Amino acid sequence: GAVVSQHPSRVICKSGTSVKIECRSLDFQATTMFWYRQFPKQSLMLMATSNEGSKATYEQGVEKDKFLINHASLTLSTLTVTSAHPEDSSFYICSVNSGGAPDTQYFGPGTRLTVL
Amino acid sequence: DAKTTQPTSMDCAEGRAANLPCNHSTISGNEYVYWYRQIHSQGPQYIIHGLKNNETNEMASLIITEDRKSSTLILPHATLRDTAVYYCIVSGGYQKVTFGIGTKLQVIP
Repeated sequence: GAVVSQHPSRVICKSGTSVKIECRSLDFQATTMFWYRQFPKQSLMLMATSNEGSKATYEQGVEKDKFLINHASLTLSTLTVTSAHPEDSSFYICSVNSGGAPDTQYFGPGTRLTVL
Repeated sequence: DAKTTQPTSMDCAEGRAANLPCNHSTISGNEYVYWYRQIHSQGPQYIIHGLKNNETNEMASLIITEDRKSSTLILPHATLRDTAVYYCIVSGGYQKVTFGIGTKLQVIP
């Protein structure tokens, strides 16, 4: 399956700052990537679908101006949490679609964000 | 909303087979059954998927009932490293997926 990396694996920042998380598809060109958020003891919640060369599609309740997504190439999507606050502290995970029939999602290792 | 129902938790003795059930009574004809697992503080890992036939790979076997309303993931010889949350998901394969709460499998020495 596809190999997906995320950087950084952990980040601690002060309230009010912005944080960028990178998601890379290392061995596969991904036209579609997904961003999830997971709070402690909860399941993954889809935030947005990232489409290469076009605007991301956000799920209901997810602020597109706060969670900026850029999918500028077939191997890289970035999620920027703008003006982060403690309630944004979470585990952020990206995934890519395999492009097979049927599609299978392969996930990155996740990024732990802590906002102080 | 998740379209599957799974037990919240299960225990399995190390070396024994772990059988994880999943109900998906509203599955559509073109939807696949996918299984993923998430080990603590890691991203989910793909395990297996199937449409209507039973499937087997190096990780597990997937048994789907004839009416496709339920399935069972089988880990033939569970090890401590199989302790994780297991998610059963139905999807058309070209859609975004919705994660339920999954089954927390604890493998006991």
